[in-house]
Amino acid sequence: SQKIEQNSEALNIQEGKTATLTCNYTNYSPAYLQWYRQDPGRGPVFLLLIRENEKEKRKERLKVTFDTTLKQSLFHITASQPADSATYLCALEAAGNKLTFGGGTRVLVKP
Amino acid sequence: DTGVSQNPRHKITKRGQNVTFRCDPISEHNRLYWYRQTLGQGPEFLTYFQNEAQLEKSRLLSDRFSAERPKGSFSTLEIQRTEQGDSAMYLCASSMGQGQETQYFGPGTRLLVL
Repeated sequence: SQKIEQNSEALNIQEGKTATLTCNYTNYSPAYLQWYRQDPGRGPVFLLLIRENEKEKRKERLKVTFDTTLKQSLFHITASQPADSATYLCALEAAGNKLTFGGGTRVLVKP
Repeated sequence: DTGVSQNPRHKITKRGQNVTFRCDPISEHNRLYWYRQTLGQGPEFLTYFQNEAQLEKSRLLSDRFSAERPKGSFSTLEIQRTEQGDSAMYLCASSMGQGQETQYFGPGTRLLVL
């Protein structure tokens, strides 16, 4: 069956350091992968989309990589700030453009 | 604020009652999606519409759930005879479709069934 796995343990990181989150998937051949941010009690907010033919995508302090051989995406937050504290969700496209989400990884950036 | 609105934001109901939620997507978006999210989990797909046509329903969507998008604009999600297991955050998202895959989520409706 199809699975998307994100580290369920919270990631505690010191301000200024780089946070790296992992998204692994099985039994998928997605055309693209997306990362969303979710704050408590709010809906997810789109951050980045990376397609299967792209290795890396950047947006400001965010970087995403996509390895279709390893079936893995890495999400990096460089120069992390306390305002980056949130849950980050990985999502894969399925037929009909519906998204299948991982369980999310909570990030806590300490000043 | 993504431009997708949901009402109500919170709903408390007793088991066995019916509830209805509304979603207003971004006006030019053709596609509308409903997801359900429980604590500590990612959102789970329930159903989606292309304009007014409901194109797919998840197996999670039991017969007690029904969704409509009558004029291809706003959508409603109704749960009949609510059960405690229905307690969750119900999220609506919209997208332009036609290769524009980014989904814009509303703030969600949090349902508590007592």
